[in-house]
Amino acid sequence: GDSVTQMEGPVTLSEEACLTINCTYTATGYPSLFWYVQYPGEGLQLLLKATKADDKGSNKGFEATYRKETTSFHLEKGSVQVSDSAVYFCALMDTGRRALTFGSGTRLQVQP
Amino acid sequence: DGGITQSPKYLFRKEGQNVTLSCEQNLNHDAMYWYRQDPGQGLRLIYYSQIVNDFQKGDIAEGYSVSREKKESFPLTVTSAQKNPTAFYLCASRDRGGNSNQPQHFGDGTRLSIL
Repeated sequence: GDSVTQMEGPVTLSEEACLTINCTYTATGYPSLFWYVQYPGEGLQLLLKATKADDKGSNKGFEATYRKETTSFHLEKGSVQVSDSAVYFCALMDTGRRALTFGSGTRLQVQP
Repeated sequence: DGGITQSPKYLFRKEGQNVTLSCEQNLNHDAMYWYRQDPGQGLRLIYYSQIVNDFQKGDIAEGYSVSREKKESFPLTVTSAQKNPTAFYLCASRDRGGNSNQPQHFGDGTRLSIL
């Protein structure tokens, strides 16, 4: 079945440092890929998405590129802020149920 | 504002008791989903519904039941058969029209605990 693997956290960075959170997937067909962010005690917010190979999703300074050849969708940001501290989930949408399969999440802690 | 409302925010269940979690959306979305989140883990699919009066089991449906009598509502019942119900429950919806890759939108969740 479909699966998503993302790097374990927590990831601790100083403000203005560069961020990369790795995400790889296994799926049949060509799923859409997503990054969601979760702040403490809240639901998930869509951060960005990509629907086909070589698409780049971007939002709020975050970027991720759909790499079909490496089945990856790594999340990057050039300069993190304290307000970026949250848990980040990589997910794929299957082509049948249109349900999401999630990675286990990566906690990011940004220190001032 | 359009969105997804989950209630209550916190819920406590006694042994042998069924409890129902509410999920209402005013986004006019056809598809709705229930996920369960355990600490330090990703979300897992419990049930989903692509259209009114139809729903399907997800990956961990045992001990749960749902109904979809109205487009805007998709309540989840956690039955006494669910032996480990303590978790954070998230409801989501999605627009099925147009682009088939529309993302899911999430509510703020209900945290269920056992007394």
